[in-house]
Amino acid sequence: AQSVTQLGSHVSVSEGALVLLRCNYSSSVPPYLFWYVQYPNQGLQLLLKYTSAATLVKGINGFEAEFKKSETSFHLTKPSAHMSDAAEYFCAKTGTASKLTFGTGTRLQVTL
Amino acid sequence: GAGVSQSPRYKVAKRGQDVALRCDPISGHVSLFWYQQALGQGPEFLTYFQNEAQLDKSGLPSDRFFAERPEGSVSTLKIQRTQQEDSAVYLCASSLVYRDQPQHFGDGTRLSIL
Repeated sequence: AQSVTQLGSHVSVSEGALVLLRCNYSSSVPPYLFWYVQYPNQGLQLLLKYTSAATLVKGINGFEAEFKKSETSFHLTKPSAHMSDAAEYFCAKTGTASKLTFGTGTRLQVTL
Repeated sequence: GAGVSQSPRYKVAKRGQDVALRCDPISGHVSLFWYQQALGQGPEFLTYFQNEAQLDKSGLPSDRFFAERPEGSVSTLKIQRTQQEDSAVYLCASSLVYRDQPQHFGDGTRLSIL
């Protein structure tokens, strides 16, 4: 099955600490991978995307992700969490079709 | 610059009623997608348009769901004879045509069926 798996439905970090949100995918073709963020009662906002250029992708708000083909992973990181980063994060991919397949999401909590 | 606009933002309907949800994509975006997001879940694909052509409707859960995009711009998702399990947030997204292009999402319509 073509899928996206996000380990950890809830992640809690202290303000200023490293953020690591995990995403693994399965795909029979080279995937395009995306991270989106969703704030309450809003749609999804693109953080970053991987489209087979550089394996380390930098996005908005200080986030980055590294594509590792051998591990079929695309984990999202940020060196120092801010209170405003608290939100739901979704990893997604496209395969042979343009539609997005999403993971189940990770809710990030940032504490003082 | 306008983003993807969806209306209404909230819709409450009684079981058995028909509802229509509207999506106004970003100007010039050829591709338009509808997703359904249940509470606490990731969005699930419903259907895809390229211009006015509906190229993929494999995600529509039943024949009560119908989508159209007659002039290749605004799209409407219609649900007939609504049921409680239709309660969800319906998200619309638009993009340029290639699959590496990011999809831009509207704020969604939260549908509640009583």
